[in-house]
Amino acid sequence: DGGITQSPKYLFRKEGQNVTLSCEQNLNHDAMYWYRQDPGQGLRLIYYSQIVNDFQKGDIAEGYSVSREKKESFPLTVTSAQKNPTAFYLCASSLLQGMRGYTFGSGTRLTVV
Amino acid sequence: KQEVTQIPAALSVPEGENLVLNCSFTDSAIYNLQWFRQDPGKGLTSLLLIQSSQREQTSGRLNASLDKSSGRSTLYIAASQPGDSATYLCAVREGETSGSRLTFGEGTQLTVNP
Repeated sequence: DGGITQSPKYLFRKEGQNVTLSCEQNLNHDAMYWYRQDPGQGLRLIYYSQIVNDFQKGDIAEGYSVSREKKESFPLTVTSAQKNPTAFYLCASSLLQGMRGYTFGSGTRLTVV
Repeated sequence: KQEVTQIPAALSVPEGENLVLNCSFTDSAIYNLQWFRQDPGKGLTSLLLIQSSQREQTSGRLNASLDKSSGRSTLYIAASQPGDSATYLCAVREGETSGSRLTFGEGTQLTVNP
């Protein structure tokens, strides 16, 4: 079955350390997205990519970086510049056009220790 | 900038009750609207997707309606069950020219008591 796989499920980061969250999809979707979810807040868009080798900043891109070298993969790096990285991170994908909606992964919970 | 609001923020009902969750959005120029379910610590599961040209969609005990002109959508859950307990999120997809982004509401946390 097609879907989105996020790994790891739980991730712990030390102060000043960069960490990378993985997101892979086999749905042949064009677009991929990273969202951040904090308690009491809605999902906020970090970055999105509509095609390979191209991506755009979302609403809260500072302290994050992404790459899109393959259609299936959209890894997110949380850099040391992100001052409050503890959150639940969700990856999603969609077709750019068409009648279908978004598909989400199961999330990665990142905690700063 | 599109804003999505969900009312109520939390809802607790006895099993078997029919209920309505509300979602409103400020910009009616949407491509579609999607309702999701999220269980604690989990990802989002898509429940229903309504295209901008549609008025409603149904799946089992769930029915979602869309009134684009007034910027509103409702999710109707019939004969609620304890297994329906979760957070329900509404999200609107902006027009294609804006990169297919989704804007989310903050969700309604539903508890169905046995």
